[in-house]
Amino acid sequence: QVLLVQSGAEVRKPGASVKVSCKASGYTFTSYDINWVRQATGQGLEWMGWMNPNSGSTGFAQRFQGRLTMTRNISIGTAYMELSSLRSEDTAVYYCARAAWDDSGSYYNDYWGQGTLVTVSS
Amino acid sequence: SSELTQDPAVSVALGQTVRITCQGDSLRTYYANWYQQKPGQAPVLVIYGKNNRPSGIPDRFSGSSSGNTASLTITGAQAEDEADYYCNSRDSSGNHLYVFGTGTKVTVL
Repeated sequence: QVLLVQSGAEVRKPGASVKVSCKASGYTFTSYDINWVRQATGQGLEWMGWMNPNSGSTGFAQRFQGRLTMTRNISIGTAYMELSSLRSEDTAVYYCARAAWDDSGSYYNDYWGQGTLVTVSS
Repeated sequence: SSELTQDPAVSVALGQTVRITCQGDSLRTYYANWYQQKPGQAPVLVIYGKNNRPSGIPDRFSGSSSGNTASLTITGAQAEDEADYYCNSRDSSGNHLYVFGTGTKVTVL
C-alpha cells in the first residue's frame, strides 16, 4: 500500500532552518509529484509547493519564495522540505502529500503523510 | 488571504443533505478537489476533478461546479461526516501553483 512517513517533531529558534523528510513506499517514487502543505493550530490548510521527484523541478507559493527548498533522494525514495529564516508564525504541522493527475487535468493529493509538528520559539 | 472562499460553518440534520460551496475566479477554468479533515488527523481526499471519488469514499459524497463556484454535496449525512472540509484548486495565476479554500466546519445534528 502507498505510505508516506514523515520525520518527527522539531523545535527551532527564530531565524533558524528546519528540514522535514517524507519517505515514500508502495509506489514508484519518481512517477508522482510530492506537495507540501502546512496547518497552524486551529487554522486552515496552506499549500506551500510541489516537487517532481524525477526531474527535481519545483514550484512554490509566492509567500515562500526565497526561503523554501524542496529536494529528494531517489535512491531511498525520500523527499525533503527545508524552510529557512523561521519565525513564530511558521509554527505548524507540515504535511507531505503525493500528487496525481486525472484525465481532465486535475491535480490532487491522494495520499498524505502523518504530519510533522514544527515549533518555532525562542 | 485565500483565493478560494468557503462558508466557515454549516450544520445538517442526520440523514439530510448538505451542500458546501467554494468560490474563486480560478474555478471558472479548473475543477476543485475536496478534502475532509477530522481533528488530529491528516486530510483525506473525498472528491477530485469533475466528480470523482477515490476508492473507499462513500457515494453520498459528490461534486459539481458552475461558474466561479464549486460545490461538495453530502446526501444523507452521517455522524462520521462531521469534519472540516477544504476545497483546493489552482491559484488565480493559472500556473502550476495551488491554493486551499478557507475551510468549512460541518456539524451533523
